[in-house]
Amino acid sequence: QVQLVQSGAEVKKPGASVKVSCKASGYTFTSYYMHWVRQAPGQGLEWMGIINPSGGSTSYAQKFQGRVTMTRDTSTSTVYMELSSLRSEDTAVYYCARDLSPIRATIKGPDYWGQGTLVTVSS
Amino acid sequence: DIVMTQTPLSLSVTPGQPASISCKSSQSLLHSDGKTYLYWYLQKPGQPPQLLIYEVSNRFSGVPDRFSGSGSGTDFTLKISRVEAEDVGVYYCMQSIQLRLTFGGGTKVEIK
Repeated sequence: QVQLVQSGAEVKKPGASVKVSCKASGYTFTSYYMHWVRQAPGQGLEWMGIINPSGGSTSYAQKFQGRVTMTRDTSTSTVYMELSSLRSEDTAVYYCARDLSPIRATIKGPDYWGQGTLVTVSS
Repeated sequence: DIVMTQTPLSLSVTPGQPASISCKSSQSLLHSDGKTYLYWYLQKPGQPPQLLIYEVSNRFSGVPDRFSGSGSGTDFTLKISRVEAEDVGVYYCMQSIQLRLTFGGGTKVEIK
């Protein structure tokens, strides 16, 4: 079965960076895009960007351009999301989520989600 | 960006009764491939979102048939034919016709 297992909670100071990992199993890692979505406490869902685990290409929401970097390691079936210049407003649960559609088809939207990683930014 | 607007903000439902959630998009979600990229998710308390419905009306694997989706263009509806206790949580609609995916603000469903 498809599983996405994320790294543990993080506490960071303003201005620092955080790198969250998401290890995939139960399917062919390089065959499906991976999204990153975040959720601030008590708030809704915000899409951050997407990575093609096969070639490594990415597309980021304009809001995060210049601050976010998504990468992957095909040898471990893991994707990473690094967010820099953290501020208090970045306190949120960060989710990785696989796309419903195989690569080479139209990107459709997340089907399976990781359990989430809480990132707290506080001085 | 496409704005997704959900109503109502919250819903309190007696078990066994139906429930309905509306979602409106600021632009048509009909793609040139003929498909409409409107999705519904349920986020149960303390859990990540789970996919219920994709492309307006297709139930995802394992989703009970009491959940159904309908609509076209910019107006969509999620219906629960008979609400059960396990259906509590926040329901979100989402569009993916533009790669900058956007979600509705959510509808919280509670049991009376």
